Amino acid sequence: AQSVTQPDIHITVSEGASLELRCNYSYGATPYLFWYVQSPGQGLQLLLKYFSGDTLVQGIKGFEAEFKRSQSSFNLRKPSVHWSDAAEYFCAVGAAGTASKLTFGTGTRLQVTL
Amino acid sequence: GAVVSQHPSRVICKSGTSVKIECRSLDFQATTMFWYRQFPKQSLMLMATSNEGSKATYEQGVEKDKFLINHASLTLSTLTVTSAHPEDSSFYICSAKGQGATEAFFGQGTRLTVV
Repeated sequence: AQSVTQPDIHITVSEGASLELRCNYSYGATPYLFWYVQSPGQGLQLLLKYFSGDTLVQGIKGFEAEFKRSQSSFNLRKPSVHWSDAAEYFCAVGAAGTASKLTFGTGTRLQVTL
Repeated sequence: GAVVSQHPSRVICKSGTSVKIECRSLDFQATTMFWYRQFPKQSLMLMATSNEGSKATYEQGVEKDKFLINHASLTLSTLTVTSAHPEDSSFYICSAKGQGATEAFFGQGTRLTVV
């Protein structure tokens, strides 16, 4: 069975500081990996995804993530955080080939201090 | 990206009544739709997968008679919460995927409050 672990429930960073959100997955084959952002009371917005190829993936809003197969990780990074980045971030894994139903991590709440 | 619209965004209903939530793909044909539930401060949990014209496949522990899913067309899926109770209060989110697509697109979610 596939699973996703986001070890950090809550992270606080200062505006302008760098950010890294951790994500570890468990999957028996090549996974499809996703990062989503959710603002309070809103749906999910896709930040980036990894299917194959270059292991460093660029997304929207200046985010990037690196797929490391040896570590079963797909950490999300941003070099300089903006106050508007405060939200809940979810990592998810899906079945390769169909990108069907996703398994989500428990999420990391990002707080940005000014 | 493709657009998925979910309606209503918020609904309050009385205990014992039924509520219908719609999920529409606006600019593509959604052969598969997924329904998730998210309790406060928790992650999204998949409830069921529906393919157009077929019966939905429910995840373990999800009551199919309570959460009725209909996917009668390629642009619309509905989730009906029957005989709702306060413990059904949650955030329900759908996602939709086209034939051969590599990702599904999410709706805005519906906040259901049962009083």
